Order: sequence, then structure tokens, then C-alpha cells
Amino acid sequence: RKEVEQDPGPFNVPEGATVAFNCTYSNSASQSFFWYRQDCRKEPKLLMSVYSSGNEDGRFTAQLNRASQYISLLIRDSKLSDSATYLCVVNSPYGDMRFGAGTRLTVKP
Amino acid sequence: DGGITQSPKYLFRKEGQNVTLSCEQNLNHDAMYWYRQDPGQGLRLIYYSQIVNDFQKGDIAEGYSVSREKKESFPLTVTSAQKNPTAFYLCASRIDRGYDNEQFFGPGTRLTVL
Repeated sequence: RKEVEQDPGPFNVPEGATVAFNCTYSNSASQSFFWYRQDCRKEPKLLMSVYSSGNEDGRFTAQLNRASQYISLLIRDSKLSDSATYLCVVNSPYGDMRFGAGTRLTVKP
Repeated sequence: DGGITQSPKYLFRKEGQNVTLSCEQNLNHDAMYWYRQDPGQGLRLIYYSQIVNDFQKGDIAEGYSVSREKKESFPLTVTSAQKNPTAFYLCASRIDRGYDNEQFFGPGTRLTVL
């Protein structure tokens, strides 16, 4: 089993749609959780950290369920500029970070 | 401006040659990481270092070597022992104090073996 697993995608949605990505992690000792965005042929950039209480940043909402070892990202009112690959990232107790394979999103007019 | 720089942006190598990818950060971060990304794939950890003069192997360290002589620098050497080195290489750094510290990435180096 992979340490971090994401919906394989791709997701193709129209502008204005709401889309949700899911991620599960295997190491219950993990303490930090993040969503990164990666544009084609670019480096990943932090989209948002994920907190136990859930957090929201404009159209983006992240949730963490420690009991189920599950992380989610919700994007409301999708824009064309949201098209990218979204990476779920979890820290490991050994000091490194573990990445999911990413979920590709395409928002169409 | 603080950040992470990687050079070169594009690198072409002949089979059998060793090449060194540069990674420098002026963020005063303790930890530095090297990842490899293949087309349509996620990031795979090659090596990481949490402190100067110390580093650990990641999941795919075979055929690679690193050094961490300075806090700011974490060069990666792709040796001739790496069988399929063509990929996108990303360097990252992190404060590494506490848990809620994200990684910051450099712009990457695209290595192509001819």
C-alpha cells in the first residue's frame, strides 16, 4: 500500500463546478498535512496547509479526519485558472515528506 | 529575495557521464530534499538532509549521491550507475522545527540523457 494515495483522476469539470479531491495516508504518526498545486512543467507550490479543525481559503476548503486518515480538498466555483495537478502531502515521522501521485484537474469553459 | 535556486534549468548528458545538479537556498532552512518526477508521476524522494554534514537515503537513492557541506547548499550528483536518469529533478527546503512547516521548491532541472 502506498503511503499517500489520491484519486487518480483526471477530473474534467465545467467552469463554476464544485470538485472534491480525496487523499488517504497510511502512517498514523503523521502530524502535518498539505495540499500543493503543480502546473505543467513547473515546481509544486503550497496551496494550503490542512488542520484538524478544517480550514478555508476563499474558494478552497481543506478537511482532515485523523481517525480515518483521510484528507480532502474542495474547490468551489471552479475557474479556468484552477486547472493543474493537486498533490496531497503528508509528513513522515522520519523527517521527510510523502507525496501522493497527484490528481489532475482540467476546468473547461 | 529569499528562495531556492536550481541550476541548470536544462541539462543534457551523454550516457556514462556523471553530472551534478546545483541547489542553493537563502531561507536559512535546516532541511533540504531532492525529488525526481517522471512524466505523469508523483514526486519520489532521492535524498534528504536535516542538518549539515548529514543526509539520509530516500526511496530511490541508487545511482545518486549528495553532500551537505554548507547549510545553504545541497548538490545532487547523478552518476553513470543511474540506469534511467532522464527526469525532472526538484530540490526543496523546509525549516524542520515543529510539524507545521511546508516545503518550498526550486524551479527544477530537466535532465535528458542522450
